[in-house]
Amino acid sequence: GDSVTQMEGPVTLSEEAFLTINCTYTATGYPSLFWYVQYPGEGLQLLLKATKADDKGSNKGFEATYRKETTSFHLEKGSVQVSDSAVYFCALLADRGSTLGRLYFGRGTQLTVWP
Amino acid sequence: GAGVSQSPRYKVAKRGQDVALRCDPISGHVSLFWYQQALGQGPEFLTYFQNEAQLDKSGLPSDRFFAERPEGSVSTLKIQRTQQEDSAVYLCASSPYRVSNQPQHFGDGTRLSIL
Repeated sequence: GDSVTQMEGPVTLSEEAFLTINCTYTATGYPSLFWYVQYPGEGLQLLLKATKADDKGSNKGFEATYRKETTSFHLEKGSVQVSDSAVYFCALLADRGSTLGRLYFGRGTQLTVWP
Repeated sequence: GAGVSQSPRYKVAKRGQDVALRCDPISGHVSLFWYQQALGQGPEFLTYFQNEAQLDKSGLPSDRFFAERPEGSVSTLKIQRTQQEDSAVYLCASSPYRVSNQPQHFGDGTRLSIL
């Protein structure tokens, strides 16, 4: 079945450091891929998305490219800020079969950025 | 409001009690989803509604879990005879589409603690 494997955390960085959070997926079809962010005490907020192979999603300085050949969707940011501290979730939207429309999430990666 | 609204934000119940969690989706959104997020984990799918029809309930962990959306807007997730393993954050999400590759919009969740 469909699944997402996400780099385990926690990740601790200094401000302005480069961030990479790895995400790989297994899917039977051609799913859409997302990164969601969860700030303490809040729900999930969409950070970026990609709906087909080679698409690059970007938002607030974060980027991720849908790589079908490596089944990956790694999240990157060139210079993190303290305000980026949160939990990041990689997610896959199933596009066929009995699980059509269902989101599958990774376990989440806690990011802490120090000034 | 403009977003998905969930109530209560926090619920504490004794083992064996019944609980009801409410979700008010974005107005006009056709699809509504419930997810369960255990501590330190990613959300896991519970059930899906398209308008008032429950099209997928395969993620509900037991027959103690029941969800409804009688008028195609507000939804209630009910858990009967609660057990400690039911302690989690319950997230509701909605989407304006029946089935699509577009993201779901999440509420802030209800944190359920079973004593």
